[in-house]
Amino acid sequence: AIQLTQSPSSLSASVGDRVTLTCRASQGIGSAIAWYQQKPGKPPKLLIFEASNLESGVPSRFSGSGSWADFTLTISGLQPEDFATYYCQQFNSDPVTFGQGTKLEIK
Amino acid sequence: EVQLVQSGAELRKPGESLKISCKASGYNFANYWIGWVRQMPGKGLEWMGIINPRDSDTRYSPSFEGQVTLSADTSVTTAYVQWASLKASDTAMFYCARLRHPGILMEYWGQGTLVTVSS
Repeated sequence: AIQLTQSPSSLSASVGDRVTLTCRASQGIGSAIAWYQQKPGKPPKLLIFEASNLESGVPSRFSGSGSWADFTLTISGLQPEDFATYYCQQFNSDPVTFGQGTKLEIK
Repeated sequence: EVQLVQSGAELRKPGESLKISCKASGYNFANYWIGWVRQMPGKGLEWMGIINPRDSDTRYSPSFEGQVTLSADTSVTTAYVQWASLKASDTAMFYCARLRHPGILMEYWGQGTLVTVSS
């Protein structure tokens, strides 16, 4: 199975900051990656699909980039509601796998 | 409005069986795959598998093959996960989600079902 390694595991930032979260795949996956946001006690929410496509209704401060095995999720101008855990997911090959998550906390 | 409503929290003993549900509404249930994700306490997301409600075609992650059974009933627009014999390590939150067609993206989610297995 393809392994996804997210870094950092946790990150402290302030409202207004620009942050970049990274997801590295154990082998090339093209652009078959999605990013989800999960808040405590809630199900995940789809943010980005196919590496860089913004899901409908997601604020434009979220953006995704990357290809092959290295991907990033950038949040430009952190808002209080953005503090959550973020997961990447690959769907290039079975089984689908998730990264271990990056927890974004308020500094 | 698409909605997935999952059954309530369950407390079971090791060795007991269990079936949890995910009731879909607001769309044609037969036209979209349903996926299941496990989240153990304080841990990340794990892909369990997916099911096509139209024909019950099922794909399991190797980690869950033989451990759970996915099923769906179009007459009641509901998907299920079933365990024949629970273990303490099955304690987790379980989420269902509707997959975008075509593909594997999980675009609508249930609220989750907490399963606790304890003697």
